[in-house]
Amino acid sequence: QTVVTQEPSLTVSPGGTVTLTCASSTGAVTSANYPNWFQQKPGQPPRSLIFSTTNKHSWTPARFSGSLLGGRPALTLSGVQPDDEAEYYCLLYYGGAQPWVFGGGTKLTVL
Amino acid sequence: QVQFVQSGAEAKEPGASVKISCKASGYFFSTYGVHWVRQAPGQRLEWMGWVNAGSGNTHYSQRFQGRFIITRDTSASTVYMELSSLTSEDAAVYFCAQEAPGTGVWDSWGQGTLVTVSS
Repeated sequence: QTVVTQEPSLTVSPGGTVTLTCASSTGAVTSANYPNWFQQKPGQPPRSLIFSTTNKHSWTPARFSGSLLGGRPALTLSGVQPDDEAEYYCLLYYGGAQPWVFGGGTKLTVL
Repeated sequence: QVQFVQSGAEAKEPGASVKISCKASGYFFSTYGVHWVRQAPGQRLEWMGWVNAGSGNTHYSQRFQGRFIITRDTSASTVYMELSSLTSEDAAVYFCAQEAPGTGVWDSWGQGTLVTVSS
């Protein structure tokens, strides 16, 4: 069973920069895994931020960016705002019997 | 504007089935796929399955094989999920989410439907 692991929690100061990553138990992630990133606040559905590793939706704030760092998808927030405090999930595609697997989520605290 | 509206909260007894709807608007329904994802209290998101709204083809997580069915009604722009033989472990919020087939691009999500399972 494929496992996708994220940092359980991170803390960042307002105005700072933070990078969240996502590791696959199968090894290096590539663009063929279609990395997606979502933001979820308590009591709300997830909101899609990034697709296909680096691409932003029309509603994604400019301070969010996606990349691949050493075979791991990464989500970088630059100029963090208090409103960015949330849980962030990555999602990877593997095909086969279990095509989509979510990471465990990173709780981002802005303090 | 793309929007998904899900049906309301459900309270079920163990062993029962639950059926949840997800009504789409703001786009041509048959050109996209719809995923179902659930989230148990304090837990990570879990992918359950997917339907191609145009063809009706489905793909289910092995974890739910045999007791999970996704259907769609193109005339109503609505996707349904039905989960049977419920146990307390199925208590969760269930979400539908849109993906353009074969693109890996997830975008809009439904608001979620809370399912409680208790005798």
